[in-house]
This record gives sequence, C-alpha cells and structure tokens, in this order.
Amino acid sequence: EIVLTQSPATLSLSPGERATLSCRASQSVSSYLAWYQQKPGQAPRLLIYDASNRATGIPARFSGSGSGTDFTLTISSLEPEDFAVYYCQQRSNRITFGQGTRLEIK
Amino acid sequence: EVQVVESGGGFVQPGGSLRLSCAVSGFAFGSYWMSWVRQAPGKGLEWVANIKQEGSEKYYVDSVKGRFTISRDNAKSSLSLQMNSLRAEDTAVYYCARVSSTWCFDYWGQGTLVTVSS
Repeated sequence: EIVLTQSPATLSLSPGERATLSCRASQSVSSYLAWYQQKPGQAPRLLIYDASNRATGIPARFSGSGSGTDFTLTISSLEPEDFAVYYCQQRSNRITFGQGTRLEIK
Repeated sequence: EVQVVESGGGFVQPGGSLRLSCAVSGFAFGSYWMSWVRQAPGKGLEWVANIKQEGSEKYYVDSVKGRFTISRDNAKSSLSLQMNSLRAEDTAVYYCARVSSTWCFDYWGQGTLVTVSS
C-alpha cells in the first residue's frame, strides 16, 4: 500500500498570505495525485487532479506541482473561504488518501 | 445538475448488517466507475470500494474484503453497498462518489452516517 504523508498537520495563516501544503508518497505515484478541500459538515471537493490540473470551477489561486514522491498544493493568496482541511489522494496503486492538513486562521 | 444522494445509514450492533444506497442523476451513470469512500468521526478519508461501469470488476480495501459488497443498477442509476459482519471500526460517514476519467472523485454525495455500537 502506498502511504501518503501530509505536512504540516496544521497550518496557521492569515487571509492574503500564501499557503504551501506538502504531500509525500512512500513510493513513486508518477503524477497520479489529486487534492481535495473539505469544510466541516461537507463532502470533499476536488481541487487538483494529476498533480497540477485544476478541476472545473476551481479558482486560479489554487495550484499543484510535483511528481514521483513529492507534491505541493499552493494557495497563492488565502481567501476566508479557503480555511478548511486538505487531503491528497493517489491512484497509482489502488487508492489511498493522506491524513490531511488543517488550514486554520491565524 | 449532478446529484448524488446516499441513504440507508443508521445504528447497528456489532456483527449486524446494513445496506447503503446511492441515487444518482445528472450524468450518464452507466458510463462511470463508482466508489464508496468513508470517513470515521474526526478522521481522514478512506477509499472503501470501486465498481466498474457494467459491474464486472469490483475492488475493495483489505479491511472490508469478504464483508462488504458493492453493486450497481444502471437502469435505476443507483449504487449500493451491502455491509455484513459490521465492526465498531466501520463507524463512519459513507460517501458515494463518481470516479472521473483521471481516477479522482469528482462528484460526491452528502454522506450517510453508519454507527456500529453495542
């Protein structure tokens, strides 16, 4: 099983700041990595697929990068609605998720 | 508009059974793989099972193999998850999700809560 490790567990930032979230895979997943946003009481929402492609309707402030084992989700300038939990997911070998990064308001 | 609506969750004792359903509209259900993903209270996401478009291929996370069965009825645009021999660790919100062409989950339902407790 491919294990995805997300860091940091919690990230405290202010609106307008840049957020950088990391996801590291236990073995190469090529570019088969996605990112999701989840707000309390809601289902996850797909943000990024195949490491760097924004899903339909996702604002340009969200971007993804990386390949192999190291991936990054960047939010260029945080909006109030961006504070949530973010998960990465790989589909290279079965499907697994990272444990999540909580992005909270500082 | 795509709609994904789960139902069937509830409270069940360990060893019991429950059947979840998912009603879909707004897209060609029979053209997509579908999945169940769960989330234990306060925890992260866990993929549970996948089923191919015509139902000929099914895959499960190891922890539910032999206990859970995923199925679909393309004529009714519905997905099901039969859960037997339930354990406390199966307690979670269960989401029905569409698998995109790039093997991500692009549409999700609101989830249905399953609680396994004595």
